[in-house]
Amino acid sequence: DGGITQSPKYLFRKEGQNVTLSCEQNLNHDAMYWYRQDPGQGLRLIYYSQIVNDFQKGDIAEGYSVSREKKESFPLTVTSAQKNPTAFYLCASSIYSNLNTEAFFGQGTRLTVV
Amino acid sequence: ILNVEQSPQSLHVQEGDSTNFTCSFPSSNFYALHWYRWETAKSPEALFVMTLNGDEKKKGRISATLNTKEGYSYLYIKGSQPEDSATYLCAAAGTALIFGKGTTLSVSS
Repeated sequence: DGGITQSPKYLFRKEGQNVTLSCEQNLNHDAMYWYRQDPGQGLRLIYYSQIVNDFQKGDIAEGYSVSREKKESFPLTVTSAQKNPTAFYLCASSIYSNLNTEAFFGQGTRLTVV
Repeated sequence: ILNVEQSPQSLHVQEGDSTNFTCSFPSSNFYALHWYRWETAKSPEALFVMTLNGDEKKKGRISATLNTKEGYSYLYIKGSQPEDSATYLCAAAGTALIFGKGTTLSVSS
């Protein structure tokens, strides 16, 4: 089945450790996105990529890094520089980078830093 | 980066009531307006993608309109049912897909 897979679903890390969240899609989509959700905040854009080997910062990129070495993969690293990393992280993709087609979402990863 | 506003933040209606939500967005640098439904423990799913001023789209009891000149979109639900309970997100597409905070709808039977 085609879709977007995020792993793991739940992730626990100690403060000060970097952690990488996986996002893989087999939809042959050009564009991929990472969002963060906090209570009452909605989905806030962290990073997005419209094409392989290229990506742009969103509204809240500080403390995060990404790579887009393959079309199907867009991993997000939460670094120790991120002040409040505990949140729900959602990955999305769309077929065209100009976004006049719907986006598809993964199931999300809930990260808890203790 | 676009700033997208949704209202109301939450809404509680009785089964059979009709309701509507508002999404406002800057009309400059606009490509498309998306509506998604996000049910608890599931991923957001697309309802509509609209690109042209005056667009109207319908899916069953749910419909949406778009005014790109004044920068707003309405989502209508006719005859709400308990299964309509969800958070409804709108997103404006410029260089990226920017979401509002959503409207959480609760429908009581």
